[in-house]
Amino acid sequence: DAGVTQSPTHLIKTRGQQVTLRCSPKSGHDTVSWYQQALGQGPQFIFQYYEEEERQRGNFPDRFSGHQFPNYSSELNVNALLLGDSALYLCASSFSRGPLNTEAFFGQGTRLTVV
Amino acid sequence: GQNIDQPTEMTATEGAIVQINCTYQTSGFNGLFWYQQHAGEAPTFLSYNVLDGLEEKGRFSSFLSRSKGYSYLLLKELQMKDSASYLCASTGFQKLVFGTGTRLLVSP
Repeated sequence: DAGVTQSPTHLIKTRGQQVTLRCSPKSGHDTVSWYQQALGQGPQFIFQYYEEEERQRGNFPDRFSGHQFPNYSSELNVNALLLGDSALYLCASSFSRGPLNTEAFFGQGTRLTVV
Repeated sequence: GQNIDQPTEMTATEGAIVQINCTYQTSGFNGLFWYQQHAGEAPTFLSYNVLDGLEEKGRFSSFLSRSKGYSYLLLKELQMKDSASYLCASTGFQKLVFGTGTRLLVSP
């Protein structure tokens, strides 16, 4: 049983470009959350998708957008990249009808470097 | 509001016991996670507490006091491979709020 998978693992982009990151949740999970982790910091919540809709959003600008597909996989899009967007982007999946937020499983992350 | 506090760094010796504390203030609190994260890698799940008390899992134990907004992670019989960052995260309204992490250095 595959866990949460993310692609790509590493990415280098230029300022002003756009990037799309992908996440496939753990089998049986229907909720996907995205986090940004800058060096030396804890992960920061970007947004969460459930039933193909954005259910919650953290304090991130509109340049950050996402999508969830019928198979529960998800994409994170970032437009007009800034140097400060360089970070490890983490995807976590969970089951909405599980008992009180069971383990949130993380993918291996995508390391984005903006130059 | 959402706020998590944990020490930035701790050091300990191989074979010893270390306790990493975490205090939190979370709206809609629904439980407390601990994760281990090695440099350059994603966080890996260690424990989840939703009720007050101690949960033991091998060398690792986690404690929660909801009334005090307090948790700790206890690591016993420390090994060199335990050198990592330990992240405390509270759940509120179906999302995780993380602290900045505690970097633990285990020395021989």
